[in-house]
Amino acid sequence: GQNIDQPTEMTATEGAIVQINCTYQTSGFNGLFWYQQHAGEAPTFLSYNVLDGLEEKGRFSSFLSRSKGYSYLLLKELQMKDSASYLCAVRVRSNDYKLSFGAGTTVTVRA
Amino acid sequence: DGGITQSPKYLFRKEGQNVTLSCEQNLNHDAMYWYRQDPGQGLRLIYYSQIVNDFQKGDIAEGYSVSREKKESFPLTVTSAQKNPTAFYLCASSRDGLEKLFFGSGTQLSVL
Repeated sequence: GQNIDQPTEMTATEGAIVQINCTYQTSGFNGLFWYQQHAGEAPTFLSYNVLDGLEEKGRFSSFLSRSKGYSYLLLKELQMKDSASYLCAVRVRSNDYKLSFGAGTTVTVRA
Repeated sequence: DGGITQSPKYLFRKEGQNVTLSCEQNLNHDAMYWYRQDPGQGLRLIYYSQIVNDFQKGDIAEGYSVSREKKESFPLTVTSAQKNPTAFYLCASSRDGLEKLFFGSGTQLSVL
């Protein structure tokens, strides 16, 4: 099966920076997604990486290294509303509609 | 507004009963999916559909059934054969199956 690992929980202070790591060991690779999910709600799309490097979108950035099987999501200038679960998902094959998800990282932002 | 709607938000199942979860989208997306979410685990794919009248089993299809008679609708039935149905069920869609997923707000299913 596919193996996607994320830390279970992280805590940070309002205004700080947090980096959520995701490592994957999959039979193939054709893109990595990050989603945000508030408790009891629908996940929402944050970012997509298919090539190595950094993608920046406002306060959120995502990085990918395919050779290392590694990605991170960087959240800057943390706000209380950023308290949520962050899900890493990998598409294994280019023509495959399925995504393999990690268990998610719960981020708690403290005042 | 375009979106994906799941109902009901909460559902209770009695022993031996089949229950159906509704999922409707007005995004004109071809692909639709059902995921199951358990505490401490990643989303696991139950079934997915790339086009109308066609669907494929995901990783944990046993005890579930689906239909895709209309592009907009992809209902999931949790049958009595599913012995551990308590979970949060998420429906999703994407334009062509290869782009980002749009998720519904989920249905929490519990066993009485």
